[in-house]
Amino acid sequence: EDKVVQSPLSLVVHEGDTVTLNCSYEVTNFRSLLWYKQEKKAPTFLFMLTSSGIEKKSGRLSSILDKKELFSILNITATQTGDSAVYLCAVESNYQLIWGAGTKLIIKP
Amino acid sequence: KAGVTQTPRYLIKTRGQQVTLSCSPISGHRSVSWYQQTPGQGLQFLFEYFSETQRNKGNFPGRFSGRQFSNSRSEMNVSTLELGDSALYLCASSSGDPANEKLFFGSGTQLSVL
Repeated sequence: EDKVVQSPLSLVVHEGDTVTLNCSYEVTNFRSLLWYKQEKKAPTFLFMLTSSGIEKKSGRLSSILDKKELFSILNITATQTGDSAVYLCAVESNYQLIWGAGTKLIIKP
Repeated sequence: KAGVTQTPRYLIKTRGQQVTLSCSPISGHRSVSWYQQTPGQGLQFLFEYFSETQRNKGNFPGRFSGRQFSNSRSEMNVSTLELGDSALYLCASSSGDPANEKLFFGSGTQLSVL
């Protein structure tokens, strides 16, 4: 059965810290891995990764995929209170997105 | 460009009733996907419609059904509601392949079944 596991489930850090969120997967026909940020209700797109070893960056956020070890990480540097959210990872397999349970990130001022 | 609109925002129903949720995608988007989100469970895929046809379906019972209209608006229906159906129901739109391009989500309908 296809599955996506995110860790940790929750994380509390102080403003300015750097965090690393993990997403591991076991799926039958991998095509892409996506990261979304869910602040209130509507998740918003962060990254789509399809190739191993190529880092995607957007400001203080970056992500990389390891297709050999079947995982991805999402890094956030110099965290701000606005980064507080649930971060969701999804993997495309057989034309469906399989979602992890999310990591709830809380940034304390 | 208007975003994805879901109505209603909140619903309270009792067991055994049925409910219809609505989703209007971004103008020009032809794919609409529906998800159920419960605390700690992540998003569970319900189904996806493209050009009025159900293109993909998750592992939910037949009580969950949907349809898409010619203007790409979509509705989801849940019949014979159960307590376990209480969840946030999200819809997402994309222009074509929802598994290979970014999705645009609505703010969801929070359904409570009493």
